[in-house]
Amino acid sequence: DAGVIQSPRHEVTEMGQEVTLRCKPISGHDYLFWYRQTMMRGLELLIYFNNNVPIDDSGMPEDRFSAKMPNASFSTLKIQPSEPRDSAVYFCASRSPERANYGYTFGSGTRLTVV
Amino acid sequence: GIQVEQSPPDLILQEGANSTLRCNFSDSVNNLQWFHQNPWGQLINLFYIPSGTKQNGRLSATTVATERYSLLYISSSQTTDSGVYFCAKGDGGATNKLIFGTGTLLAVQP
Repeated sequence: DAGVIQSPRHEVTEMGQEVTLRCKPISGHDYLFWYRQTMMRGLELLIYFNNNVPIDDSGMPEDRFSAKMPNASFSTLKIQPSEPRDSAVYFCASRSPERANYGYTFGSGTRLTVV
Repeated sequence: GIQVEQSPPDLILQEGANSTLRCNFSDSVNNLQWFHQNPWGQLINLFYIPSGTKQNGRLSATTVATERYSLLYISSSQTTDSGVYFCAKGDGGATNKLIFGTGTLLAVQP
């Protein structure tokens, strides 16, 4: 199992540009989560999906952020237009449906810098 | 809202020493996890431990749900144990989406 795979690892973009972050969860996991980590706010949940359906997007900062999960093996987080305050590390995580193993598995993260 | 408090905020150890990290939470627990974020930023799940005790090598964890705390024990610490240790608790909903504490920054010196 390759784990949760995120791309790109690093992204530097100019303010106003569109940014798309990608995530491939572990096969068989039924929940997918997008988190953002900053020094000031720590780890924040942005949105999560269950069986590809968005369940709770209350953590999405504003309309500039959107997320999709077109199938069980792929999700995207898009920021349009990007702003310097969006600079952070964005993590994707997935979770097994087995009750005995509800531990999250995180991807390696995407470090986003908006200049 | 749900509170997840970790202590100490930071800790310096000499290699070989033991340590105990604490996580207090504000309400009942049905999902408690410990994570290690290494100096390269990777978040590694150490334990899923809503109750009881688990051990994995030099690490062990205990959650006492009735008293609303969890402990992470690190024995014979190594420099590779350095990083930030996060405790995270489910929000109590059907998903058990995790609320993270602010972490304990651990530095193990050779």
